[in-house]
Amino acid sequence: QVNLLQSGAALVKPGASVKLSCKASGYTFTDYYIHWVKQSHGKSLEWIGYINPNSGYTNYNEKFKSKATLTVDKSTNTAYMELSRLTSEDSATYYCTRSGLAHWGQGVMVTVSS
Amino acid sequence: DIVMTQAPLSVSVTPGESASISCRSSKSLLHSNGITYVYWYLQKPGKSPQLLIYRMSNLASGVPDRFSGSGSETDFTLKISRVEAEDVGIYYCGQLLENPYTFGAGTKLELK
Repeated sequence: QVNLLQSGAALVKPGASVKLSCKASGYTFTDYYIHWVKQSHGKSLEWIGYINPNSGYTNYNEKFKSKATLTVDKSTNTAYMELSRLTSEDSATYYCTRSGLAHWGQGVMVTVSS
Repeated sequence: DIVMTQAPLSVSVTPGESASISCRSSKSLLHSNGITYVYWYLQKPGKSPQLLIYRMSNLASGVPDRFSGSGSETDFTLKISRVEAEDVGIYYCGQLLENPYTFGAGTKLELK
């Protein structure tokens, strides 16, 4: 069965960066795009962008273009999202999800605090 | 960006009764290929969102047929027949037609 396993919660200082991981299993990793979605506490969902694991092509929400960088490691079936220059506005739960947003990781909470 | 507007923001339902949630998009979600790119998700308390309906009216794998989706190019409805305790949570509509994908504010379903 499709499984997307995300890295654990992160506590990071303002101005720092964090790299989140999403390890895929149960399907051919390169056959489906990986999307990332942000959910601030008690809020709705915001789509960050996606990456094509086969080609590395990325497509970002303009709002997150200077905030998020999506990459993959095909050798380990893992997708990554690096968030840079973190502020309190970046404190949220981040999900990875497969094409069509049909399968979701368990989410990872990022807290930005000094 | 396409704005997705849901109503109501919360609904209280007696178990066994039906519930309907509406969603309106600021732009037609009908692609030239004939597919309408509206999706419905349920986020149960403390869990990740789960896909219920894709492309307006298609039931996702494993989802009970008590759930159904319908609509036009800009107005959509999720109907839940015979609501059960496991249906409690926040329902989101979303459009996957164009960048950026966008979602409604969510509708919280509670039991009476």
